[in-house]
Amino acid sequence: DTEVTQTPKHLVMGMTNKKSLKCEQHMGHRAMYWYKQKAKKPPELMFVYSYEKLSINESVPSRFSPECPNSSLLNLHLHALQPEDSALYLCASSQARGTDTQYFGPGTRLTVL
Amino acid sequence: QKEVEQNSGPLSVPEGAIASLNCTYSDRGSQSFFWYRQYSGKSPELIMFIYSNGDKEDGRFTAQLNKASQYVSLLIRDSQPSDSATYLCAPLGTDSWGKLQFGAGTQVVVTP
Repeated sequence: DTEVTQTPKHLVMGMTNKKSLKCEQHMGHRAMYWYKQKAKKPPELMFVYSYEKLSINESVPSRFSPECPNSSLLNLHLHALQPEDSALYLCASSQARGTDTQYFGPGTRLTVL
Repeated sequence: QKEVEQNSGPLSVPEGAIASLNCTYSDRGSQSFFWYRQYSGKSPELIMFIYSNGDKEDGRFTAQLNKASQYVSLLIRDSQPSDSATYLCAPLGTDSWGKLQFGAGTQVVVTP
């Protein structure tokens, strides 16, 4: 079973809102990823969580905050977002970081008004 | 120079024909290569992965890898309308991130 689940599927939020995106995998994978994808562009890596260590793409603004409650869950907390943050947010997981196939969840379509 | 280059397309292919997608990459250390299919508005779906030089076949899909030329390709035989999608080439990077280095993708349109 190569399933990664994400909730919600769609999210509309104002620039003053605080919301969270959730990602879960039950494959025993040890690495989880958040990507951002704008229309007609490839996914861009935002964060990697692997073996209890978080790696952050320095270009990602602090209004995005990842959290990993346990090895199968990866949340993305959103605060004071801008309209340009509207995108498809993808979660992925792999057995290990940097050596293995990444499987993607269905994504959350985020719209910031 | 982009790290991963793909023809953006659209690549128009008659139904039943072979679609040929090309990808070149700049990271000579890359050892693993992935092809993802992405339908409009959906998430990427793994189609093939290849680690060794040569060909790898899986159903109607064949991946070809030439590390010396830093070139990887995907052939889709007997193309079907359901193959109409964007195909993303993604070598696995060798930096500490271990991240997939996505190309911009090639849009394939299979015409009945």
